Amino acid sequence: EPEVTQTPSHQVTQMGQEVILRCVPISNHLYFYWYRQILGQKVEFLVSFYNNEISEKSEIFDDQFSVERPDGSNFTLKIRSTKLEDSAMYFCASRRTSGSRTGELFFGEGSRLTVL
Amino acid sequence: GDSVTQMEGPVTLSEEAFLTINCTYTATGYPSLFWYVQYPGEGLQLLLKATKADDKGSNKGFEATYRKETTSFHLEKGSVQVSDSAVYFCALPGEGNQFYFGTGTSLTVIP
Repeated sequence: EPEVTQTPSHQVTQMGQEVILRCVPISNHLYFYWYRQILGQKVEFLVSFYNNEISEKSEIFDDQFSVERPDGSNFTLKIRSTKLEDSAMYFCASRRTSGSRTGELFFGEGSRLTVL
Repeated sequence: GDSVTQMEGPVTLSEEAFLTINCTYTATGYPSLFWYVQYPGEGLQLLLKATKADDKGSNKGFEATYRKETTSFHLEKGSVQVSDSAVYFCALPGEGNQFYFGTGTSLTVIP
């Protein structure tokens, strides 16, 4: 069964460093997402991406964050100048369609980011 | 706008007890409705879905019925097991690309 894969599974970084989280969505999916979950809390939407551009983003997704799809398969989330409060589990998700409001999201296993 | 309101947890049940986790929604149009499950240390997995009013989604003994008249999609299971211990999220797709999730309900089943 096709799946969304994420790397790394866990990254530890020093405050102020840049991190890149990588995702390989399911190959025939067109919509890509990043969500964040601080330990024990709700799943928070960060950004959605379609046709090589951001389609929606939340208030959390400020200038510290960026996304790109550099090579047609990987979908990356870059966090510049990390802060302690960026420590969380980051989930990538993909979806084949969007307009019909019927297709489900497929999630990766997550990348745990720990900022020291 | 679109939103999902989910019953607060945590919920603790004994094995074989009946489970209900409430979910109500606000939506423009008629989106599909979903329940996702997150087992400890894992990502979110689709548990079940319903695509239109009065549809019942079911999987692994869990059921939820899409009730348009009460704008609800409550999750039920007749007899829970220890292995059902997880966090459950109600969700719906918005008119744009975004998916809206409830706050999650943590379930612990004790033997």
